[in-house]
Amino acid sequence: ETGVTQTPRHLVMGMTNKKSLKCEQHLGHNAMYWYKQSAKKPLELMFVYNFKEQTENNSVPSRFSPECPNSSHLFLHLHTLQPEDSALYLCASSQDAGVAYEQYFGPGTRLTVT
Amino acid sequence: GENVEQHPSTLSVQEGDSAVIKCTYSDSASNYFPWYKQELGKRPQLIIDIRSNVGEKKDQRIAVTLNKTAKHFSLHITETQPEDSAVYFCAASREGYQKVTFGIGTKLQVIP
Repeated sequence: ETGVTQTPRHLVMGMTNKKSLKCEQHLGHNAMYWYKQSAKKPLELMFVYNFKEQTENNSVPSRFSPECPNSSHLFLHLHTLQPEDSALYLCASSQDAGVAYEQYFGPGTRLTVT
Repeated sequence: GENVEQHPSTLSVQEGDSAVIKCTYSDSASNYFPWYKQELGKRPQLIIDIRSNVGEKKDQRIAVTLNKTAKHFSLHITETQPEDSAVYFCAASREGYQKVTFGIGTKLQVIP
């Protein structure tokens, strides 16, 4: 598959569960991003990885834990989430986070915390 | 940090009319301004971008203008079509920095 893929597409989890979101890019990019998209709010940048190194953590609570084992894969590990964490989580990639390039988004994971 | 304000939040136009969406930014060092379109249930996709060394850029029916002095930029869509209906996001970023700051989005509805 080409572009940026995300799994799962939908996830329902309880507040005590632990789950992980996966993102994979097939574009040969070096930068990957996690965004949170909530209704009536701007896209919120959560984390940036450039050449596998985390370069940005936008004051995200520790119940969200990112992992980037290589430039093609990005994970978001979730534990003890709150109902207000329900949102669409978008992964994106770009050629290099240090240069202003187009970001390519994945289809997102719709997360519901019950 | 950067703050991007976008308006209007919703916009309805008749098919064939023009649509204009405006954004302002706060960081005078920002120098890259992309616009993304997100159709219902789909991912955001870049439709046009502009860098601070130019004042206007066109691509068929869409154009973006940038006023660095006033720190605002606008998206213009001419001859709108129903398939232009979507949410449009403006954004601002700075070369060498990791962060892209997005506006809140404008929901455009083109009425046939």
